[in-house]
Amino acid sequence: QKEVEQNSGPLSVPEGAIASLNCTYSDRGSQSFFWYRQYSGKSPELIMSIYSNGDKEDGRFTAQLNKASQYVSLLIRDSQPSDSATYLCAVKLTGGGNKLTFGTGTQLKVEL
Amino acid sequence: ETGVTQTPRHLVMGMTNKKSLKCEQHLGHNAMYWYKQSAKKPLELMFVYNFKEQTENNSVPSRFSPECPNSSHLFLHLHTLQPEDSALYLCASSQDSAGKLFFGSGTQLSVL
Repeated sequence: QKEVEQNSGPLSVPEGAIASLNCTYSDRGSQSFFWYRQYSGKSPELIMSIYSNGDKEDGRFTAQLNKASQYVSLLIRDSQPSDSATYLCAVKLTGGGNKLTFGTGTQLKVEL
Repeated sequence: ETGVTQTPRHLVMGMTNKKSLKCEQHLGHNAMYWYKQSAKKPLELMFVYNFKEQTENNSVPSRFSPECPNSSHLFLHLHTLQPEDSALYLCASSQDSAGKLFFGSGTQLSVL
């Protein structure tokens, strides 16, 4: 089993819709979770972090964490074409020190 | 200066060449990282430095040799690389072990 799993997509949503991106992880003791956005040909940039069960909202973005089920998700409301990118889930595994383990990413396409 | 700068942006080298990648961070962070990003694969952590001391070597072949002279600068020395080493090499920095990484723009490396 991969340590951090994401559906590679592409996930296509119409403009204005809610995009839902999911990530599961194998280490039950993990405490820190991050979402990075990577535009084609660019480097990843951090958009959300979440540490506690429940929802965390930042503008159009909402991160959701369920440690019992070992999944973390990212919702993007009112999706815009500029949201088209690859979204990387990253988890700080137990005993990993400074190490983040990344998923392969989900490609999101927001269509006009 | 932007937060994390990497040079060069693109590099083509033969298998017998020796080259170096350079990274500089202007964020006052104390941890620096080298990551490798290949198509269809998750970001792979290569090396971690904390306060210029190497704290992680993720089983990286010796043809990759990191150097961290101070907390702001990081190098990756390359020699006798293989074609499968062709990838995007990303430098990142973070404050302590918070897990929030700031990435440079990357070096796209092609080994012929």
